[in-house]
Amino acid sequence: GNSVTQMEGPVTLSEEAFLTINCTYTATGYPSLFWYVQYPGEGLQLLLKATKADDKGSNKGFEATYRKETTSFHLEKGSVQVSDSAVYFCALSRSAGRRALTFGSGTRLQVQP
Amino acid sequence: DARVTQTPRHKVTEMGQEVTMRCQPILGHNTVFWYRQTMMQGLELLAYFRNRAPLDDSGMPKDRFSAEMPDATLATLKIQPSEPRDSAVYFCASGLVLGSPDRNTEAFFGQGTRLTVV
Repeated sequence: GNSVTQMEGPVTLSEEAFLTINCTYTATGYPSLFWYVQYPGEGLQLLLKATKADDKGSNKGFEATYRKETTSFHLEKGSVQVSDSAVYFCALSRSAGRRALTFGSGTRLQVQP
Repeated sequence: DARVTQTPRHKVTEMGQEVTMRCQPILGHNTVFWYRQTMMQGLELLAYFRNRAPLDDSGMPKDRFSAEMPDATLATLKIQPSEPRDSAVYFCASGLVLGSPDRNTEAFFGQGTRLTVV
Protein backbone atom coordinates (compact mmCIF):
# COMPACT_ATOMS: atom_id res chain seq x y z
CA GLY A 1 0.00 0.00 0.00
CA ASN A 2 0.90 3.66 -0.03
CA SER A 3 2.89 5.16 2.80
CA VAL A 4 4.85 8.30 3.67
CA THR A 5 7.74 8.50 6.09
CA GLN A 6 8.92 11.80 7.56
CA MET A 7 11.79 12.65 9.81
CA GLU A 8 10.99 12.81 13.49
CA GLY A 9 10.60 16.18 15.13
CA PRO A 10 10.70 18.57 16.67
CA VAL A 11 13.19 20.41 14.52
CA THR A 12 14.50 23.48 16.31
CA LEU A 13 16.32 26.15 14.33
CA SER A 14 17.45 29.70 14.77
CA GLU A 15 15.98 32.38 12.57
CA GLU A 16 17.63 32.55 9.11
CA ALA A 17 18.92 28.99 9.35
CA PHE A 18 18.58 26.52 6.48
CA LEU A 19 15.74 24.01 6.76
CA THR A 20 15.48 20.48 5.45
CA ILE A 21 12.65 18.12 6.37
CA ASN A 22 13.06 14.69 4.85
CA CYS A 23 10.19 12.79 3.27
CA THR A 24 10.23 9.46 1.48
CA TYR A 25 7.31 7.55 0.08
CA THR A 26 6.16 4.14 -1.04
CA ALA A 27 3.53 3.97 -3.73
CA THR A 28 2.54 2.14 -6.88
CA GLY A 29 2.47 4.07 -10.10
CA TYR A 30 3.09 7.79 -10.22
CA PRO A 31 1.61 9.58 -7.25
CA SER A 32 1.29 13.30 -6.77
CA LEU A 33 3.24 14.65 -3.82
CA PHE A 34 2.33 17.43 -1.43
CA TRP A 35 3.55 19.37 1.56
CA TYR A 36 0.92 20.73 3.91
CA VAL A 37 1.47 23.05 6.86
CA GLN A 38 -0.62 23.23 10.03
CA TYR A 39 -0.47 26.22 12.34
CA PRO A 40 -1.72 25.86 15.93
CA GLY A 41 -5.48 25.47 16.12
CA GLU A 42 -5.87 25.51 12.36
CA GLY A 43 -6.56 23.06 9.58
CA LEU A 44 -3.98 21.97 7.06
CA GLN A 45 -2.99 24.33 4.28
CA LEU A 46 -1.35 23.29 1.07
CA LEU A 47 2.21 24.60 0.94
CA LEU A 48 3.38 23.15 -2.37
CA LYS A 49 2.92 20.19 -4.68
CA ALA A 50 4.49 18.25 -7.55
CA THR A 51 2.66 15.92 -9.88
CA LYS A 52 5.42 14.17 -11.80
CA ALA A 53 9.06 13.16 -11.50
CA ASP A 54 11.63 15.99 -11.43
CA ASP A 55 8.93 18.61 -10.86
CA LYS A 56 9.84 21.22 -8.29
CA GLY A 57 7.11 22.68 -6.17
CA SER A 58 7.74 26.04 -4.53
CA ASN A 59 5.87 28.57 -2.41
CA LYS A 60 6.78 31.23 0.17
CA GLY A 61 10.47 30.37 -0.10
CA PHE A 62 9.90 26.65 0.43
CA GLU A 63 10.89 24.13 -2.24
CA ALA A 64 10.66 20.40 -2.80
CA THR A 65 11.68 18.29 -5.79
CA TYR A 66 9.92 15.06 -6.78
CA ARG A 67 12.73 12.47 -6.97
CA LYS A 68 11.42 9.22 -8.33
CA GLU A 69 14.80 7.48 -8.24
CA THR A 70 15.07 7.98 -4.49
CA THR A 71 11.28 8.12 -3.83
CA SER A 72 11.79 11.35 -1.95
CA PHE A 73 10.22 14.79 -1.67
CA HIS A 74 12.35 16.69 0.85
CA LEU A 75 11.21 20.13 1.95
CA GLU A 76 13.79 22.93 2.02
CA LYS A 77 13.94 26.61 2.83
CA GLY A 78 17.03 28.74 2.68
CA SER A 79 16.23 31.08 5.57
CA VAL A 80 13.48 30.28 8.07
CA GLN A 81 11.53 32.82 10.06
CA VAL A 82 9.80 32.60 13.43
CA SER A 83 6.48 32.68 11.55
CA ASP A 84 7.40 29.37 9.87
CA SER A 85 6.97 27.57 13.19
CA ALA A 86 4.29 24.97 12.53
CA VAL A 87 3.79 21.27 11.82
CA TYR A 88 4.65 20.16 8.29
CA PHE A 89 3.06 17.12 6.67
CA CYS A 90 4.25 15.30 3.59
CA ALA A 91 1.49 13.52 1.65
CA LEU A 92 0.82 11.63 -1.52
CA SER A 93 -2.17 10.79 -3.63
CA ARG A 94 -2.51 8.38 -6.47
CA SER A 95 -2.98 9.73 -9.95
CA ALA A 96 -5.94 7.47 -10.64
CA GLY A 97 -8.56 5.59 -8.73
CA ARG A 98 -8.51 6.18 -5.00
CA ARG A 99 -7.13 9.68 -4.63
CA ALA A 100 -7.41 10.30 -0.93
CA LEU A 101 -4.27 11.75 0.59
CA THR A 102 -1.95 9.52 2.59
CA PHE A 103 -0.09 11.60 5.18
CA GLY A 104 3.18 11.25 6.97
CA SER A 105 3.27 11.65 10.73
CA GLY A 106 4.16 15.32 10.60
CA THR A 107 7.29 17.21 11.66
CA ARG A 108 7.09 20.05 14.12
CA LEU A 109 9.34 23.00 13.32
CA GLN A 110 10.26 25.50 16.00
CA VAL A 111 12.13 28.61 14.90
CA GLN A 112 13.75 30.67 17.63
CA PRO A 113 14.51 34.39 17.29
CA ASP B 1 -12.66 33.61 -0.39
CA ALA B 2 -13.77 30.00 -0.86
CA ARG B 3 -13.20 27.76 2.10
CA VAL B 4 -14.40 24.57 3.72
CA THR B 5 -16.63 25.31 6.70
CA GLN B 6 -16.96 22.91 9.60
CA THR B 7 -19.35 23.09 12.52
CA PRO B 8 -19.13 22.99 15.44
CA ARG B 9 -15.52 24.01 16.06
CA HIS B 10 -15.56 22.46 19.49
CA LYS B 11 -17.78 19.80 21.03
CA VAL B 12 -17.72 18.30 24.51
CA THR B 13 -20.10 15.44 25.08
CA GLU B 14 -20.69 12.61 27.47
CA MET B 15 -19.94 9.03 26.60
CA GLY B 16 -22.88 7.37 24.91
CA GLN B 17 -24.26 10.52 23.34
CA GLU B 18 -24.70 11.04 19.61
CA VAL B 19 -22.37 13.50 17.93
CA THR B 20 -22.95 15.06 14.53
CA MET B 21 -20.28 17.04 12.74
CA ARG B 22 -21.07 19.05 9.63
CA CYS B 23 -19.06 20.21 6.69
CA GLN B 24 -19.79 22.56 3.84
CA PRO B 25 -17.35 21.84 1.02
CA ILE B 26 -16.14 24.45 -1.42
CA LEU B 27 -18.72 25.10 -4.10
CA GLY B 28 -17.94 23.13 -7.25
CA HIS B 29 -15.72 20.57 -5.59
CA ASN B 30 -16.69 16.97 -6.33
CA THR B 31 -14.71 15.16 -3.64
CA VAL B 32 -15.06 15.23 0.14
CA PHE B 33 -12.80 13.59 2.70
CA TRP B 34 -13.14 13.09 6.44
CA TYR B 35 -9.92 12.74 8.44
CA ARG B 36 -9.30 12.23 12.14
CA GLN B 37 -6.20 13.63 13.81
CA THR B 38 -4.81 12.33 17.09
CA MET B 39 -1.40 12.56 18.67
CA MET B 40 -0.95 8.81 18.57
CA GLN B 41 -2.27 7.98 15.11
CA GLY B 42 -1.69 11.19 13.22
CA LEU B 43 -4.04 11.85 10.31
CA GLU B 44 -6.30 8.93 9.44
CA LEU B 45 -8.71 8.82 6.54
CA LEU B 46 -12.20 7.93 7.71
CA ALA B 47 -14.31 8.41 4.58
CA TYR B 48 -14.10 9.61 1.03
CA PHE B 49 -16.93 10.75 -1.27
CA ARG B 50 -16.93 11.49 -4.96
CA ASN B 51 -19.98 13.20 -6.46
CA ARG B 52 -21.76 12.49 -3.14
CA ALA B 53 -21.23 8.73 -3.43
CA PRO B 54 -19.08 6.98 -0.81
CA LEU B 55 -15.95 5.55 -2.41
CA ASP B 56 -14.10 4.44 0.66
CA ASP B 57 -15.14 4.29 4.29
CA SER B 58 -12.85 1.46 5.31
CA GLY B 59 -11.18 3.68 7.90
CA MET B 60 -14.38 4.16 9.89
CA PRO B 61 -15.53 1.96 12.76
CA LYS B 62 -18.74 0.80 11.11
CA ASP B 63 -20.58 -0.04 14.28
CA ARG B 64 -20.66 3.54 15.53
CA PHE B 65 -19.61 5.90 12.76
CA SER B 66 -21.57 6.94 9.69
CA ALA B 67 -20.87 9.48 6.97
CA GLU B 68 -23.32 10.90 4.47
CA MET B 69 -23.73 13.65 1.90
CA PRO B 70 -27.41 14.60 1.85
CA ASP B 71 -26.63 17.13 -0.87
CA ALA B 72 -23.65 18.67 -2.60
CA THR B 73 -23.35 21.44 -0.01
CA LEU B 74 -23.39 19.31 3.14
CA ALA B 75 -21.41 16.36 4.44
CA THR B 76 -22.06 14.87 7.86
CA LEU B 77 -20.12 12.57 10.16
CA LYS B 78 -22.04 10.96 13.00
CA ILE B 79 -20.85 8.98 15.98
CA GLN B 80 -23.43 7.01 17.94
CA PRO B 81 -22.73 6.11 20.67
CA SER B 82 -19.63 8.19 21.30
CA GLU B 83 -16.74 6.86 23.40
CA PRO B 84 -13.78 8.60 25.08
CA ARG B 85 -11.42 7.07 22.50
CA ASP B 86 -13.24 9.07 19.83
CA SER B 87 -11.77 12.27 21.26
CA ALA B 88 -9.81 13.86 18.41
CA VAL B 89 -9.88 16.64 15.86
CA TYR B 90 -12.02 15.75 12.87
CA PHE B 91 -11.20 17.44 9.60
CA CYS B 92 -13.26 17.71 6.48
CA ALA B 93 -11.54 18.48 3.20
CA SER B 94 -12.82 18.98 -0.31
CA GLY B 95 -11.20 18.90 -3.70
CA LEU B 96 -11.80 18.73 -7.42
CA VAL B 97 -10.61 15.54 -9.03
CA LEU B 98 -10.71 15.36 -12.80
CA GLY B 99 -9.84 12.62 -15.23
CA SER B 100 -6.31 13.62 -16.17
CA PRO B 101 -3.52 12.91 -13.66
CA ASP B 102 -2.21 16.42 -14.25
CA ARG B 103 -5.44 17.84 -12.92
CA ASN B 104 -5.29 16.03 -9.62
CA THR B 105 -5.80 19.06 -7.43
CA GLU B 106 -5.07 19.37 -3.79
CA ALA B 107 -7.50 18.95 -0.91
CA PHE B 108 -8.64 22.06 0.94
CA PHE B 109 -9.12 21.54 4.65
CA GLY B 110 -11.59 23.03 7.07
CA GLN B 111 -10.50 24.22 10.51
CA GLY B 112 -11.69 21.03 12.13
CA THR B 113 -14.03 20.00 14.93
CA ARG B 114 -12.31 19.30 18.21
CA LEU B 115 -14.32 16.56 19.90
CA THR B 116 -13.93 15.66 23.55
CA VAL B 117 -15.90 12.71 24.89
CA VAL B 118 -15.92 12.50 28.68
